[in-house]
Amino acid sequence: DVKVTQSSRYLVKRTGEKVFLECVQDMDHENMFWYRQDPGLGLRLIYFSYDVKMKEKGDIPEGYSVSREKKERFSLILESASTNQTSMYLCASSLLAGVKSGELFFGEGSRLTVL
Amino acid sequence: DAKTTQPPSMDCAEGRAANLPCNHSTISGNEYVYWYRQIHSQGPQYIIHGLKNNETNEMASLIITEDRKSSTLILPHATLRDTAVYYCIVRVPPLFGNEKLTFGTGTRLTIIP
Repeated sequence: DVKVTQSSRYLVKRTGEKVFLECVQDMDHENMFWYRQDPGLGLRLIYFSYDVKMKEKGDIPEGYSVSREKKERFSLILESASTNQTSMYLCASSLLAGVKSGELFFGEGSRLTVL
Repeated sequence: DAKTTQPPSMDCAEGRAANLPCNHSTISGNEYVYWYRQIHSQGPQYIIHGLKNNETNEMASLIITEDRKSSTLILPHATLRDTAVYYCIVRVPPLFGNEKLTFGTGTRLTIIP
């Protein structure tokens, strides 16, 4: 069964801490995505990557960075966490191109609380 | 990518067909319609996609109007497990990748026992 695994379901961090959210997929997908989800705002794209070491900004990249050193792994980094980054973070993957590139497979999500 | 409009919420009785509308009046000729749903506390799940013909799979049916300006996702016999937020997205499939996929706020469907 295809799988996208996010390293932590729940995290609590303090303001100013560096936070790593890890995501691994086992489907050999080229595309990987990081979204955040907040009540009333739906899913908003933070960053995505279509190849190793490649990254593209999404709609709300400020305050975040990403790393894609291996095809199967895509990390979201909060260099200095702030309370307004308290959210549910969702990782997804898909094929590179064509119609099926719109079929995203999502992880279960990581709920981050920044105090 | 074309903008979509969905009602914020809908109710449906258990066992009845749930019909979820999506308006995409500015859709272009090569944009596909994709549907996802998100059950509480889970990541979104892909349901179905189509270009202009009606599509059906084990989860749902997708009806796209002839002018392609709107579509309807049909869950033929809704169960309590179908309670979720449903997202309609229109998008041109990229030839070479490097394309983002943007979600809106969707429709919250509640199945009533």
